[in-house]
Amino acid sequence: ETGVTQTPRHLVMGMTNKKSLKCEQHLGHNAMYWYKQSAKKPLELMFVYSLEERVENNSVPSRFSPECPNSSHLFLHLHTLQPEDSALYLCASSQEAQSGANVLTFGAGSRLTVL
Amino acid sequence: GQNIDQPTEMTATEGAIVQINCTYQTSGFNGLFWYQQHAGEAPTFLSYNVLDGLEEKGRFSSFLSRSKGYSYLLLKELQMKDSASYLCAVMDSNYQLIWGAGTKLIIKP
Repeated sequence: ETGVTQTPRHLVMGMTNKKSLKCEQHLGHNAMYWYKQSAKKPLELMFVYSLEERVENNSVPSRFSPECPNSSHLFLHLHTLQPEDSALYLCASSQEAQSGANVLTFGAGSRLTVL
Repeated sequence: GQNIDQPTEMTATEGAIVQINCTYQTSGFNGLFWYQQHAGEAPTFLSYNVLDGLEEKGRFSSFLSRSKGYSYLLLKELQMKDSASYLCAVMDSNYQLIWGAGTKLIIKP
């Protein structure tokens, strides 16, 4: 496979469940990102990893917990979520974390519904 | 605060030309990006402008005026497959991407 792959594509969970989103990139990129996309709102950056080190955490609630075990894989662990957390969660990667022409390659997203 | 403005929705006719505007107010500037996102799919990179002027790539062109804080994406010879959301994003002085809410483009036959 090439590009950025996200699983699952769809997830429905209750407020007390624990689940994880997975992202995998086969591009040899050094940086990986989690974004939240809600209808008619700008993309919200959640976390950035560069060479497996977290370099950005944009005041995200602790019910979202990222994990980057290696430069190809990124997880987002979810627990005790709220209905307002329902959204499309996009993973992306880029060659470097902070550079000018930093083109992001996105996955197709995981559509999360919290009941 | 930092802000990106683009129209929420636009409609155009197949075969025509459409211009999607993006205005921005950011702390510094390190380039402006346009991405295309079809419904249910990943956003994909279209263009990057860091200097003033027009960049052309086939049917798509992107323009930048840094002094006016303004960009547009021009789509020519519209096809039905161009129906998508178009996302404008600016990289600020800290290399953070500031995103617009996207413009949904509807193409009618």
